[in-house]
Amino acid sequence: NAGVTQTPKFQVLKTGQSMTLQCAQDMNHNSMYWYRQDPGMGLRLIYYSASEGTTDKGEVPNGYNVSRLNKREFSLRLESAAPSQTSVYFCASSVGLGPETQYFGPGTRLLVL
Amino acid sequence: AQKITQTQPGMFVQEKEAVTLDCTYDTSDPSYGLFWYKQPSSGEMIFLIYQGSYDQQNATEGRYSLNFQKARKSANLVISASQLGDSAMYFCAMREGNRDDKIIFGKGTRLHILP
Repeated sequence: NAGVTQTPKFQVLKTGQSMTLQCAQDMNHNSMYWYRQDPGMGLRLIYYSASEGTTDKGEVPNGYNVSRLNKREFSLRLESAAPSQTSVYFCASSVGLGPETQYFGPGTRLLVL
Repeated sequence: AQKITQTQPGMFVQEKEAVTLDCTYDTSDPSYGLFWYKQPSSGEMIFLIYQGSYDQQNATEGRYSLNFQKARKSANLVISASQLGDSAMYFCAMREGNRDDKIIFGKGTRLHILP
């Protein structure tokens, strides 16, 4: 099992450009999440998907959109990137039946110039 | 108010000593889970240990144990016999009930193990 995979690993964008971060999990998990990690801020939840076909906002959703393409895949889109979106983005998944462990992908480092 | 508080931004510990990383939490939900993650310099988030609010015993996983004091709302991570490879950032996190939007991370503690 690969667990949670993310592409790309690194990306540099110019302000105003768009891009999609891809995430896939092979653990048959119901719930998937997108976080951003900024220095000194810990991880903050951007969006989550409790099950296939549903998505909801987390703590910091502005400037992002998500798609739960199927049970395996959950993508994060930046329509018009801003320097404030420079961060490390983590995708995670969990079984989704209660307060249990989340498993994280390796992260995507995004720099917006 | 912060839901997860990690009061130690950084710690230096001699190799082979035990380490306690502090975490306090705040919730009114009787059902919650507490987690610790390790983030080495390579950047990945590694799950270490989990404690459910209804668990009667403190969780243990190898050299990791969670000192769960429910009345004090404390969930400290204890690493026994520290190793150089334990040098990393450590995050405490809490999930309230079944709420996917109620997963909150602390700001982390950077642990340095000295040879």
